[in-house]
Amino acid sequence: DAGVIQSPRHEVTEMGQEVTLRCKPISGHDYLFWYRQTMMRGLELLIYFNNNVPIDDSGMPEDRFSAKMPNASFSTLKIQPSEPRDSAVYFCASSLQENEQFFGPGTRLTVL
Amino acid sequence: QKEVEQNSGPLSVPEGAIASLNCTYSDRVSQSFFWYRQYSGKSPELIMSIYSNGDKEDGRFTAQLNKASQYVSLLIRDSQPSDSATYLCAVIGAGSYQLTFGKGTKLSVIP
Repeated sequence: DAGVIQSPRHEVTEMGQEVTLRCKPISGHDYLFWYRQTMMRGLELLIYFNNNVPIDDSGMPEDRFSAKMPNASFSTLKIQPSEPRDSAVYFCASSLQENEQFFGPGTRLTVL
Repeated sequence: QKEVEQNSGPLSVPEGAIASLNCTYSDRVSQSFFWYRQYSGKSPELIMSIYSNGDKEDGRFTAQLNKASQYVSLLIRDSQPSDSATYLCAVIGAGSYQLTFGKGTKLSVIP
């Protein structure tokens, strides 16, 4: 079985540009989570979905960030406009019901 | 604000020794506890989960939970150089599906 799939694996962009990160959860999992990891703040939850519906987006840093889950097998995290302080590794994770979460390989974002 | 605290390390142990990693949490009603291993440049990998007080063993790994003291630990027996990684403690509160992570403890196993 394939694990969580994320694309792109690396993204380098310039300040002000739009960035879209993509995630395909493990088939059958009904929860999807977006995390951001930095050295300073560690691993932080941004938003999570249950059955494609956003449940808690209190971790989204500001209005520049948005996330969608149009169907059970696909989610996007968009940053518009991007800023250098958004540079981080962004992880997507999925789980079956509320317990063990499995992480994708992450997207390393660099905003110049 | 829910908090999960870990000693950042690095924790250095010789090969074959027992590595002991500790974690405390602030939310008294936390229900589920997890240990993730993260190699440098890789994603977190779930290695242990524990839900009730006491010990849970899986191979060389033992997770220990003490809800009264709000304390969870991970013991790694017969440590190997391949165990060198950052270990993240994570907690889920009652009625929540949100994982709160500690910042991790970096473990180095010296051959």
